[in-house]
Amino acid sequence: KAGVTQTPRYLIKTRGQQVTLSCSPISGHRSVSWYQQTPGQGLQFLFEYFSETQRNKGNFPGRFSGRQFSNSRSEMNVSTLELGDSALYLCASSGLAGGGEQYFGPGTRLTVT
Amino acid sequence: EDKVVQSPLSLVVHEGDTVTLNCSYEVTNFRSLLWYKQEKKAPTFLFMLTSSGIEKKSGRLSSILDKKELFSILNITATQTGDSAVYLCAVPFITQGGSEKLVFGKGTKLTVNP
Repeated sequence: KAGVTQTPRYLIKTRGQQVTLSCSPISGHRSVSWYQQTPGQGLQFLFEYFSETQRNKGNFPGRFSGRQFSNSRSEMNVSTLELGDSALYLCASSGLAGGGEQYFGPGTRLTVT
Repeated sequence: EDKVVQSPLSLVVHEGDTVTLNCSYEVTNFRSLLWYKQEKKAPTFLFMLTSSGIEKKSGRLSSILDKKELFSILNITATQTGDSAVYLCAVPFITQGGSEKLVFGKGTKLTVNP
C-alpha cells in the first residue's frame, strides 16, 4: 500500500498570505488528522476529519481550517499567515475515527517570513 | 486537563547502552497508549499498548504499560546510532463530543554516539 502523501513538501510564504496544504491518506483510510509541530510546543493536534466531517478540533485560531473530500483526501488552509505559523505540518491517516494507530505523512515544512 | 508527559526530554548514550524512556499520562477513560519514532520526517508507529503488564516487543525495542500508575516505558537494548531519533508517546483523549483525538507528549530526543 502507498503511504500517506503530503504536498507540497516545502513552502515559503510571507506574513499575511494564505496557504493550502494537501494530504492523501492511505488507501481505504477514512480518518485524516492534522498536526502542527514546532520545537517549542511539540506535536499539537489541529483537527481530524472522518468521512468528510470534522470530528475534532484543537486549540487553534479560526485562521486554521480544513476539509475532507469524498475520496478522503484532505486539505488544510491557513489564512493571514503569521511568523509563528512556521512549522512542520503533519497529516496522519487511520482506518478508524479518532485516536489509535495513525500513520504519518512526510509533512509540509512551512516557513513564514 | 488531559496531558501526556515524557521524560527525559533528551538523552545521550553510547552504542551498546540500554535506555529507558518514560511516558506518564493523565486521562479519563483511558483506552490505549502509542509510541512513535521520529527521525527527520514523519513519526513512524512503534507500539500500541492497551493492557497493563503485557510487554510488546519488536527486536531490541520493548514497551510496557502500567495502567494503575498511569505510565509506560519504552526500552531499547544494545542501542545503535540508527536509534537516534525523537521518541513520541501519544494517548487518545475523548473529547466532550464523545470522539477521540491523539495528544502527544513533547518527546524524548535520543542521541546514540558511536
